Amino acid sequence: DAGITQSPRHKVTETGTPVTLRCHQTENHRYMYWYRQDPGHGLRLIHYSYGVKDTDKGEVSDGYSVSRSKTEDFLLTLESATSSQTSVYFCAIGSETQYFGPGTRLLVL
Amino acid sequence: GQQVMQIPQYQHVQEGEDFTTYCNSSTTLSNIQWYKQRPGGHPVFLIQLVKSGEVKKQKRLTFQFGEAKKNSSLHITATQTTDVGTYFCALFTSAGKSTFGDGTTLTVKP
Repeated sequence: DAGITQSPRHKVTETGTPVTLRCHQTENHRYMYWYRQDPGHGLRLIHYSYGVKDTDKGEVSDGYSVSRSKTEDFLLTLESATSSQTSVYFCAIGSETQYFGPGTRLLVL
Repeated sequence: GQQVMQIPQYQHVQEGEDFTTYCNSSTTLSNIQWYKQRPGGHPVFLIQLVKSGEVKKQKRLTFQFGEAKKNSSLHITATQTTDVGTYFCALFTSAGKSTFGDGTTLTVKP
C-alpha cells in the first residue's frame, strides 16, 4: 500500500463542534482527495487538491473546508459538525491511479 | 459534471457462478477505472481503461470498455468467496476531478 495515513481513525463528537481530519502521504503526490462514503451513495468527492494551496470543490463540499500548506498533508475541517456529516471519510492520492488511506469513522451526536 | 450509473446495486451469487457489473454514462468518457473495496476496508485500484473497445484480463476478471466509450463492464468468472466486496467504477477529468459510481456489492454463498 502507498504511504497514506489518516488521523484520527475514529472520532465521536457533538453537533456544533469543529472537527479536523488529517491525511498524510509520503509519496510526494501532487493530487490529494477527500471523499465521504455512506451506504447507498458510494464515494462522493468533497474537495481535492492539485498542489500546495491549490484546492477545488467536489460534489458535496458544503459544510467542509480544506487546507494544503505542504505537499504531504491535506486537512479536512468541519467547521460546525452536524449529524448528517456522520460518515466514513477516505483520503486518496494520485489522479490516474488512486491510492486510498484506511479511512476515518466519524460519528456526530 | 459527468456522471456514471452502476448496475446492479447488489448481486448475490453461489460460489462458482459468474458475476458482471456495468457502468454507464450518457457522455463519452476519456477513461474508466475500476476499484474493489472489501468489507471494512478501503477501495483498491484494479485497472484503468482508456481505448475504445479495450478488453483487459486479470486472472478471472475481465474488464471491457465500450466501443463508444460510454459504458464499461467488469466480469468475474467462477466467483470465489474472496471476490466478495463492492466494485466501483470511476472516471477522472483532465483537471483531476473524480466521479465514482455508487458501486455493486457482491456477496458469494459458499
